Amino acid sequence: EVQLLDSGGDSVQTGGSLRLSCAASGFSFQIYYMAWVRQAPGRGLEWVSSISGTGLGTSYADSVKGRFTISRDNSKNILYLQMNSLRGDDSALYYCVKDGVAGMVEYIRHWGRGTRVTVSS
Amino acid sequence: SYELTQPPSVSVSPGQTARITCSGYALTNQNSYWFQQKSGQAPVLVIYRDNERPSGIPERFSGSNSGTTVTLTINGVQAEDEADYYCQTADSTALSYIFGGGTKLTVL
Repeated sequence: EVQLLDSGGDSVQTGGSLRLSCAASGFSFQIYYMAWVRQAPGRGLEWVSSISGTGLGTSYADSVKGRFTISRDNSKNILYLQMNSLRGDDSALYYCVKDGVAGMVEYIRHWGRGTRVTVSS
Repeated sequence: SYELTQPPSVSVSPGQTARITCSGYALTNQNSYWFQQKSGQAPVLVIYRDNERPSGIPERFSGSNSGTTVTLTINGVQAEDEADYYCQTADSTALSYIFGGGTKLTVL
């Protein structure tokens, strides 16, 4: 059974930093694209960042480019999101997600439960 | 950036058919996917590759694709179907997921 256990969310001040983690199990972690998707309170789903199975390919939404860094440790089956220079509009529930097709960005098959980030001044 | 457009809300009575549309250029020659999100829960995949149902999803859920518009159809809507529904496709060049804005389905 696929499990994605996301953690690391917290309340921080504007300009602060956080690192989110996602412990994955139940599948061959190293062959799947992983990503982070966020949802602000009362709002829709927003893709944040994706990373290839090897970790060599990454992409970011314009809203976080230059501030967030996605990475993975395939020896530990853990996905990370380093978030710097946090702003109020980064406040959201952040979901760790796994693609449904090995080696591709196609669709989200599995979701973590989400970890809450709150940014305030 | 590509966008997908959904109606903000759809309302139907129990037993009726609900249709939720999703349109946008990003759907051209791409598969579409639909998620159901109930209050306080993570999204759940209900349709993949335009019209396939994952195991455990009731047969009353179906999907269709007509180019730049895709449709999620729920036949014989039940009270438990009340939720937010999101369409999704992918930009394989940008390695990104594209979501519709979401549709709140209300069962009257």
